[in-house]
Amino acid sequence: GAVVSQHPSRVICKSGTSVKIECRSLDFQATTMFWYRQFPKQSLMLMATSNEGSKATYEQGVEKDKFLINHASLTLSTLTVTSAHPEDSSFYICSASAGVVNTEAFFGQGTRLTVV
Amino acid sequence: QKEVEQNSGPLSVPEGAIASLNCTYSDRGSQSFFWYRQYSGKSPELIMSIYSNGDKEDGRFTAQLNKASQYVSLLIRDSQPSDSATYLCAVRISGNEKLTFGTGTRLTIIP
Repeated sequence: GAVVSQHPSRVICKSGTSVKIECRSLDFQATTMFWYRQFPKQSLMLMATSNEGSKATYEQGVEKDKFLINHASLTLSTLTVTSAHPEDSSFYICSASAGVVNTEAFFGQGTRLTVV
Repeated sequence: QKEVEQNSGPLSVPEGAIASLNCTYSDRGSQSFFWYRQYSGKSPELIMSIYSNGDKEDGRFTAQLNKASQYVSLLIRDSQPSDSATYLCAVRISGNEKLTFGTGTRLTIIP
């Protein structure tokens, strides 16, 4: 399958600081990228969908000013958690897809964020 | 009714047996169907995709789709302990980019 690289895999930050997570599609052009968060023993929760060159579409209840998403190119999307708090500690995972019709979506390795 | 439903398990299967995982979906406009495997603490990994009615086989895995019954399943033959994981069913509705996931079925293969 296609390769999606997510960085960093783990990050610990102080409360009030911001953290940027990168998601790259290494061997295909990702027209659409998705950002999820997952709490322990729970299912994936979609945070937002981003298309290259346009603003991200956020799911209901997700604060767009807190979770800034940029999809500047067909191979890179970033998620910035601004003014992080302990309750933002979670597993953040990106996914990338090259299209809509009969195309697969591949996940990055995930980023475990711990806010102290 | 949830959009994508899976039995949460846990489902326990002896090593070497066939594991059968089931998923139902509510939207008849659903067009693409996927099975992902997720090990604890890791991100999901795509196992199978299926887009038309019938069976699709890849190694020990077979995906089955029945759009009339709104049902998709995953069979794992010759189950191995390394197959122990949570299996997520995902569905894409026609014209929509995003995937809708089920809550996952936790599978344990007993040696």
